[in-house]
Amino acid sequence: QSALTQPASVSGSPGQSITISCTGTSRDVGNYNLVSWYQQHPGKAPKLIIFENIKRPSGVSNRFSGSKSANTASLTISGLQAEDEADYYCCSFAGSITWVFGGGTKLTVL
Amino acid sequence: EVQLVQSGAEVKKPGESLRISCEGSGYTFTNYWITWVRQMPGKGLEWMGTIDPSDSYTNYSPSFQGHVTISVDRSTTTAYMQWSSLKTSDTAMYYCTRQGQLVRHFDYWGQGTLVTVSS
Repeated sequence: QSALTQPASVSGSPGQSITISCTGTSRDVGNYNLVSWYQQHPGKAPKLIIFENIKRPSGVSNRFSGSKSANTASLTISGLQAEDEADYYCCSFAGSITWVFGGGTKLTVL
Repeated sequence: EVQLVQSGAEVKKPGESLRISCEGSGYTFTNYWITWVRQMPGKGLEWMGTIDPSDSYTNYSPSFQGHVTISVDRSTTTAYMQWSSLKTSDTAMYYCTRQGQLVRHFDYWGQGTLVTVSS
């Protein structure tokens, strides 16, 4: 069960949009519409921002959006703000009560 | 208000045992699975294992099977994770998190328990 593949870092200027990819396999990302994304600020617990590929929990800004195609899921953040600077992790259900996380992506807002 | 409150930071020596806890409140404890997640210093999140508090059925990641034990006490709505013999490589932040039995994402997280293992 290997970790999902994310870019180590991405950056963007305030107001711009960025996309973080998350690549898995046909046994996890490609087999279920159950990718979730988590935001983690330094020293804080992760926070759910996207679930079931595209859904946003109540209270999460609509600047965050998710998508999936085949074995790759993506998180897009539009209208970047300084407060978006954080680590972002994807996670996929992998069957039989197992999950796999991505390695994480550090977002820098320039 | 849903809360998962974890026990405090621990400093242990290699070979010692340890049990950390995660108390759930503000929801029906047995309706949500509890998952433990490891985050080693400067590293990413790793799924360790998940327990169904309604019947204590537990599934472990192969990476952690046999090294940790996850349990629950329904009377105190508390989940536990324990080690019988710690290693220095167990130094990490450990989070508990919950998900509904019909969903596959983690909606609430504990604040984390920092475990430091050093001789």
